[in-house]
Amino acid sequence: QGVVTQEPSLTVSPGGTVTLTCASSTGTVTSGHYPYWFQQKPGQAPRTLIYATSNKHSWTPARFSGSLLGGKAALTLSGAQPEDEADYYCLLSYSGIYVFGTGTKVTVL
Amino acid sequence: EVQLVESGGGLVQPGGSLRLSCAASGFTFSDHYMDWVRQAPGKGLEWVGRTKNKVNSYITLYAASVRGRFTISRDDSNNSLYLQMNSLKTEDTAVYYCVRLSLVQELNNYYYMDVWGKGTTVTVSS
Repeated sequence: QGVVTQEPSLTVSPGGTVTLTCASSTGTVTSGHYPYWFQQKPGQAPRTLIYATSNKHSWTPARFSGSLLGGKAALTLSGAQPEDEADYYCLLSYSGIYVFGTGTKVTVL
Repeated sequence: EVQLVESGGGLVQPGGSLRLSCAASGFTFSDHYMDWVRQAPGKGLEWVGRTKNKVNSYITLYAASVRGRFTISRDDSNNSLYLQMNSLKTEDTAVYYCVRLSLVQELNNYYYMDVWGKGTTVTVSS
């Protein structure tokens, strides 16, 4: 399996747009890695935002979207809200063995 | 209401064993795959392993860091998931989460992680 790397931290202004990325040490991230994105707030369990690259859960706000971008998986937050301040983790599948990314702390400021 | 409740965490010495449980309610447990995910204090998430359902032969998969030491099992008659942890190391100290996976038929029968429990804390220390 690979090592999965994310930006350690990103800052976005309220109402602004930010893109988080998820890179694999083995090369290009593809739909075959079934990329996930999870949100975790302090003291809470994670919750699933995006699965299989771009599919949203029923509770995922419309301002979140997933894609493949420049050989990486990407999570774009458009129109950031104060409640979006959290840690975000991606997850990739390597033939059924899963590896989480290093996580990105998003600050809305 | 769909619910996953983990239990069995606690303090254990290095080299010891512990069995975690996850009680599921509010859904047909036997239809779903189930995962364990852990998070060391102040650190990121780590996937521990998976059990598939009966239709998929209860196949289990493990992260390299726990393979050979941890065993995932399930009891569909009791709506319960288990994680048997042996030969515990200090680096196994973490909050352990139970996660449900649901079928997405439109994605070629892909199962995705949708519901998380609140976690149970395991501390490995002398």
